[in-house]
Amino acid sequence: DARVTQTPRHKVTEMGQEVTMRCQPILGHNTVFWYRQTMMQGLELLAYFRNRAPLDDSGMPKDRFSAEMPDATLATLKIQPSEPRDSAVYFCASGFDGNTIYFGEGSWLTVV
Amino acid sequence: QKEVEQDPGPLSVPEGAIVSLNCTYSNSAFQYFMWYRQYSRKGPELLMYTYSSGNKEDGRFTAQVDKSSKYISLFIRDSQPSDSATYLCAMTRAGGTSYGKLTFGQGTILTVHP
Repeated sequence: DARVTQTPRHKVTEMGQEVTMRCQPILGHNTVFWYRQTMMQGLELLAYFRNRAPLDDSGMPKDRFSAEMPDATLATLKIQPSEPRDSAVYFCASGFDGNTIYFGEGSWLTVV
Repeated sequence: QKEVEQDPGPLSVPEGAIVSLNCTYSNSAFQYFMWYRQYSRKGPELLMYTYSSGNKEDGRFTAQVDKSSKYISLFIRDSQPSDSATYLCAMTRAGGTSYGKLTFGQGTILTVHP
């Protein structure tokens, strides 16, 4: 049963701390996305990789957020320093050269 | 104004009803249209995928796209309590770096009561 795996599932952290979220895309998929979901804004695209190369991170606050894909089986999203307004659900999704993308279960982040 | 508008509801219907969910959009470059279903505290799962205008049916679900009106719909026939979820429309442009770069509606919360 192929699925996108995200860790941690839940994270509570204090303002100013670094947060790292990890994603294992579905094996064989070459595109990886990071989305953020909030009640106010809905689902927003933060960053997007194809064949591990970053294609678009225009949705990401550059001063505190960074996204990397060190290898084909791991994508990371880092927030440093974290702020309360970063509290949201962060979804990783993967696909293969198409518009059918599959989402993970999400990382639920609360910054206090 | 957002590129994709979707009534957040909530929408409550009795079991067996026909449900109609809709989105409008402003960007005529959108070519691929999707509906995702999201259960509480879960990730979105792809329900329907259509390209350009037309209808697509899959079991109790029918997706319609009217590009001339910039309007898409999802119909659920014989709705079941298990259909209770948030339904998100999504769309994207064709080709190149736009693959998978989805723009989502806000989502409509649907409850089907027995």
